[in-house]
This record gives sequence, C-alpha cells and structure tokens, in this order.
Amino acid sequence: AQSVAQPEDQVNVAEGNPLTVKCTYSVSGNPYLFWYVQYPNRGLQFLLKYITGDNLVKGSYGFEAEFNKSQTSFHLKKPSALVSDSALYFCAVRDIRSMDSNYQLIWGAGTKLIIKP
Amino acid sequence: EPEVTQTPSHQVTQMGQEVILRCVPISNHLYFYWYRQILGQKVEFLVSFYNNEISEKSEIFDDQFSVERPDGSNFTLKIRSTKLEDSAMYFCASRGPSSGANVLTFGAGSRLTVL
Repeated sequence: AQSVAQPEDQVNVAEGNPLTVKCTYSVSGNPYLFWYVQYPNRGLQFLLKYITGDNLVKGSYGFEAEFNKSQTSFHLKKPSALVSDSALYFCAVRDIRSMDSNYQLIWGAGTKLIIKP
Repeated sequence: EPEVTQTPSHQVTQMGQEVILRCVPISNHLYFYWYRQILGQKVEFLVSFYNNEISEKSEIFDDQFSVERPDGSNFTLKIRSTKLEDSAMYFCASRGPSSGANVLTFGAGSRLTVL
C-alpha cells in the first residue's frame, strides 16, 4: 500500500539552529515527492519537490530536502531556523495509481515545527 | 503571483442543509482538485476534475458531493445534505497544463462547520 509517514508530531528547534523534519514514503515506481507548509489559518503552500535529477532539491524560504532512494526518505532541512518558520509541514507523494496527466497526492499527517527564540 | 481563491473562508450550517464552496483556480490551469482536512487529521483527496468532467474521486466523494465548473472560471463543490462529519477545512487546488507543472497550487481553504 502507498503511504507517507511523518514520524514526529512536533519538532522543537532553537532559532539559529539547523532543523530537520522527517518524511519516509512507501510507493512503487518512481516517486514524485513534495513538501508543503501550512501557516495558521492559511492554505497549503508549496515549498519544494523532487521529480527526477539531483537528489538535493532547494525550495522556498531557504528550505531544502534530500531524496534518499535506499532509505525511502525525503527529509526537509534548513541550516538556520527562524521563528517565522514555525508552522505545520506536510510531506506528500503522488498516488502512483493516478494517471500521469492528472494525479492526486497522498499526504503525511503533518509535523508541527516550533522555533523558539 | 497567481493565486487560487476560495469563498467563503468560513461557513456555519445546520445539518441537512446544502452548502456550496467556491473556488477560482489560476486562469490558465486545466486540472482542478478538492481536498479536505478534518481537524487534527490528514489532508484527504476528494476529487479531481479535467476537461469538464471528474477524472478521479475518492471513497469520501459519495452521492452527497458534486463538483461543477459553471462558467469557465469558478469551480464549485456542493454538499447536498450536510452531516456533522462533513465539518472540515476544504481546500481547492489547481495545476497548470505544461508537462513540467507538477505542483498543485492550493487556496487558503474554506472552513465548514456543521451543527
């Protein structure tokens, strides 16, 4: 079965420290992987994606993520956290059952990131 | 930057009432989606729409739900007779036509509260 796991409900990091939000996936074939962020009372905002190519992808707001095929992981990282990074972060993978032209996403449960000053 | 807009931002309704949630996707996008997020739970796929018809729908999207693109700009989700368990945040998303357009752009969501 296809799935996305975010093993941590919450991650606490001090401002200025590096942060990692973990994501592992289970899907057959080549995964399309995404990170979205949700600020309070706001919609889901796209951060970055991995489709093919370089395993390290860079996205918005200084975030990056590394695709690791052997570990089936796509952890989100940032070298130096800001208080404004505090939000809910969702990892998602393309549903492999969907048509290539029109697919839908399978979502992780979300990780609440709290950056303390 | 182009946005997906959703109205209303919050709607409170009585059980059994009909609700219509509206979305204006990005103008040159061709693929449209509705997702929902029950409080404290995962985001769930409801339905995708392309070329004026439903492409895929989930088990959640039963006969109480319908979608429509009535005028070429709006994309609506109708819940015919709301139930308490329909209370959730409903997100509309759209995706562009090009082969590199793998990213869904989401609206800010419509919070539905069924009493």
